[in-house]
Amino acid sequence: DAGVIQSPRHEVTEMGQEVTLRCKPISGHNSLFWYRQTMMRGLELLIYFNNNVPIDDSGMPEDRFSAKMPNASFSTLKIQPSEPRDSAVYFCASKGDIGSYNEQFFGPGTRLTVL
Amino acid sequence: TQLLEQSPQFLSIQEGENLTVYCNSSSVFSSLQWYRQEPGEGPVLLVTVVTGGEVKKLKRLTFQFGDARKDSSLHITAAQPGDTGLYLCAGARGTGFQKLVFGTGTRLLVSP
Repeated sequence: DAGVIQSPRHEVTEMGQEVTLRCKPISGHNSLFWYRQTMMRGLELLIYFNNNVPIDDSGMPEDRFSAKMPNASFSTLKIQPSEPRDSAVYFCASKGDIGSYNEQFFGPGTRLTVL
Repeated sequence: TQLLEQSPQFLSIQEGENLTVYCNSSSVFSSLQWYRQEPGEGPVLLVTVVTGGEVKKLKRLTFQFGDARKDSSLHITAAQPGDTGLYLCAGARGTGFQKLVFGTGTRLLVSP
């Protein structure tokens, strides 16, 4: 079975440009999470969705960040305009209600570099 | 505010040595998980502990949840190079739908 799919795997862009990260969760999972990982701050939760509805976006750094989940099989995280301090690895994870207790399955991540 | 502090931050050992990683908090968690992350990949779940005092074993890895459910430890016996990676603890609070709070991480390097 396919795991969580993220694209692109690597993104290099210039400051001020719009960046869109994409995620396809595991089929049947009804919760989706966006995380950011840096050496300084570790793994931080940005936002999570349950049944396509945003539940908690308190981790979103500022208005430049936005996330959508138009259907159960797709989500995007957009940064507009991007800044060098946004450089990080962004992970998407999904979770189902049935099975392992609260286990989240992570995608391979998108490494974002903003010059 | 980092709710889960892990120690040590970095650990470099030789193959065959034993080690313990700690995950501490002043908060109570309803469950705690340990993940391992390898370079270029996302974290992968190793174990979930839910009962105070619970001990779980996964081959050479032993996980313990503190009696008060505020802390946890991971002990590796006879470490191997394949154990190299970033170890993350993650706590969940409350019941029902839960978001995870991840620890600061312990980076382990096991040399042959």
